[in-house]
Amino acid sequence: TQLLEQSPQFLSIQEGENLTVYCNSSSVFSSLQWYRQEPGEGPVLLVTVVTGGEVKKLKRLTFQFGDARKDSSLHITAAQPGDTGLYLCAGAWGHAGGTSYGKLTFGQGTILTVHP
Amino acid sequence: NAGVTQTPKFRVLKTGQSMTLLCAQDMNHEYMYWYRQDPGMGLRLIHYSVGEGTTAKGEVPDGYNVSRLKKQNFLLGLESAAPSQTSVYFCASRSRGEGTDTQYFGPGTRLTVL
Repeated sequence: TQLLEQSPQFLSIQEGENLTVYCNSSSVFSSLQWYRQEPGEGPVLLVTVVTGGEVKKLKRLTFQFGDARKDSSLHITAAQPGDTGLYLCAGAWGHAGGTSYGKLTFGQGTILTVHP
Repeated sequence: NAGVTQTPKFRVLKTGQSMTLLCAQDMNHEYMYWYRQDPGMGLRLIHYSVGEGTTAKGEVPDGYNVSRLKKQNFLLGLESAAPSQTSVYFCASRSRGEGTDTQYFGPGTRLTVL
């Protein structure tokens, strides 16, 4: 069973601060996804990283996939109250068209609260 | 285009009762999934389906059954509910295509078993 360790579990910061969330595994993933979830709603995909060392940016959010494809990080610059939510990393192994069938292993999640 | 819908949104059961959660998607996706979400544990896969008439066990399948009689619907059943099944249940779907890796989630069903 592939496991994903996500840290920290909770983050409470002031508006304007920077933060980083980490996602680590002992397994190699074919791709890694980051989701954001608001209270009372389902997770929504933010980004997928596929290549080792890949860096993707989404406005103030920077996502990085480790060279060995076993870890990833999410960095938020100048956090805003609107960034508040649950952030989840999820790893996929194999290819969706193959026998992995797109199954994902999720980390435990990071609850981010950004205070005005 | 409603995406993924789930019914009901909330339910309270007594231990031993049964119920069925319904998931429907209108995106013609081949793959569908049922997850449960518990505090501090992320989402865990219960069962999944790769097409109409097919189902398979995920990480935590015990106590649950599923059926996919129609491509757009994926049902999750609890035959004899237990307090340990108190959780928020999410359904998701995705296309089988290689370049389309997004799983689309429903809004969830909050289940309490007393």
